Amino acid sequence: QITLKESGPTLVKPTQTLTLTCTFSGFSLTPSGVGVGWIRQSPGKALEWLALIFGDDDKRYSPSLKSRLTITKDTSKNQVVLTMTNMDPLDTATYYCARKPVASTRFDYWGQGTLVTISS
Amino acid sequence: SYVLTQPPSVSVAPGQTATITCGGTNIGDRGVHWYQQKAGQAPVLVVYDASVRPSGIPERFSGSSFGNMATLTISRVEAGDEADFYCQVWDSTFEGVFGGGTKLTVL
Repeated sequence: QITLKESGPTLVKPTQTLTLTCTFSGFSLTPSGVGVGWIRQSPGKALEWLALIFGDDDKRYSPSLKSRLTITKDTSKNQVVLTMTNMDPLDTATYYCARKPVASTRFDYWGQGTLVTISS
Repeated sequence: SYVLTQPPSVSVAPGQTATITCGGTNIGDRGVHWYQQKAGQAPVLVVYDASVRPSGIPERFSGSSFGNMATLTISRVEAGDEADFYCQVWDSTFEGVFGGGTKLTVL
């Protein structure tokens, strides 16, 4: 059974750095074609893709947020970590992590999401 | 960057067929995927690679893609199908792109 779960702070002050952890089970991030991505959704808005890390440590970032994002993985812990710097109230959103399977561009399993509010 | 265009809303009566479109340049040449997101829940993959249904997704959900348009079709719509639907592709530099979403209302 494949599961993913996001964890991290629910409230972050403006200008601070957000660190979110995706802990997954039921699959390995070792194969190069497997990936774990981060997607967010501001209240009432559409899904927005943020970043993806592959099993071979290749990384992809949203062009509009690339300067603020870092994605890393800890294969031994089955975790993927996303950091986002210089947080703004506009970054208030539910943040999801999701799995990308081998030889595909889809996200087949998603976490439940975690709501992060940016406010002083 | 690559842009996917969806209609903001689609309304359909129960038992009828809902058609949700996703426009993008040469989208027929890409793997396009569809997600259903019910209120307060995480998205669920309902169609991938334009027309493949994951295990557990009803046969009422189908998809197609050709040229500059991909389509998600929901036959015999039920009240429980009411949700937001998103299409998704990867652009040429392997960055994810989602459409703006379509709210399906069952009348």
